[in-house]
Amino acid sequence: EAGVAQSPRYKIIEKRQSVAFWCNPISGHATLYWYQQILGQGPKLLIQFQNNGVVDDSQLPKDRFSAERLKGVDSTLKIQPAKLEDSAVYLCASSLPGSDEQYFGPGTRLTVT
Amino acid sequence: GENVEQHPSTLSVQEGDSAVIKCTYSDSASNYFPWYKQELGKRPQLIIDIRSNVGEKKDQRIAVTLNKTAKHFSLHITETQPEDSAVYFCAARVAAGNKLTFGGGTRVLVKP
Repeated sequence: EAGVAQSPRYKIIEKRQSVAFWCNPISGHATLYWYQQILGQGPKLLIQFQNNGVVDDSQLPKDRFSAERLKGVDSTLKIQPAKLEDSAVYLCASSLPGSDEQYFGPGTRLTVT
Repeated sequence: GENVEQHPSTLSVQEGDSAVIKCTYSDSASNYFPWYKQELGKRPQLIIDIRSNVGEKKDQRIAVTLNKTAKHFSLHITETQPEDSAVYFCAARVAAGNKLTFGGGTRVLVKP
């Protein structure tokens, strides 16, 4: 089966600019996650969707980050405006309903200068 | 919320030796504990997991043990090989559908 797809793979922007990331989960996976992985740290959940509804966004910096999954399939994560500390790999993952295993995409490496 | 601590942060072993990584968690309600392997520049991949109703689980050279009383769990890799070199992350989850909280990672280097 095809894996979780993400684009772009790399992005370099200046602080205060905006950026958007896209994720297409594995077909049939109703649950979608966005994680932020800062260099040398474990992934931190930013937001979790079940179909097109938000399950958990408690760690999403809502003043600058937003995410949507309008049709319950693919999703976008936006940062506006970016800060230097947003430099990280943004990982998207998906899972089947009721399943424990999360399948990760390749990630988008964001560098904010 | 849940907090997961992972030790050591780096681990160097000789090929053929064993490697052990330990994690502690804070929330006694956590019931699912996966381990992910992340090679350089690659995505995290699940290698083994354990649920709170089981004390130990093995899969070939990999095993995980769980001590619910002490709130810690460990990954054991036996007969290490160079391809085991990677960063390993533990995680804990309170309930189905809830979020995973990851440890800080352990960089394992297997020297030939």
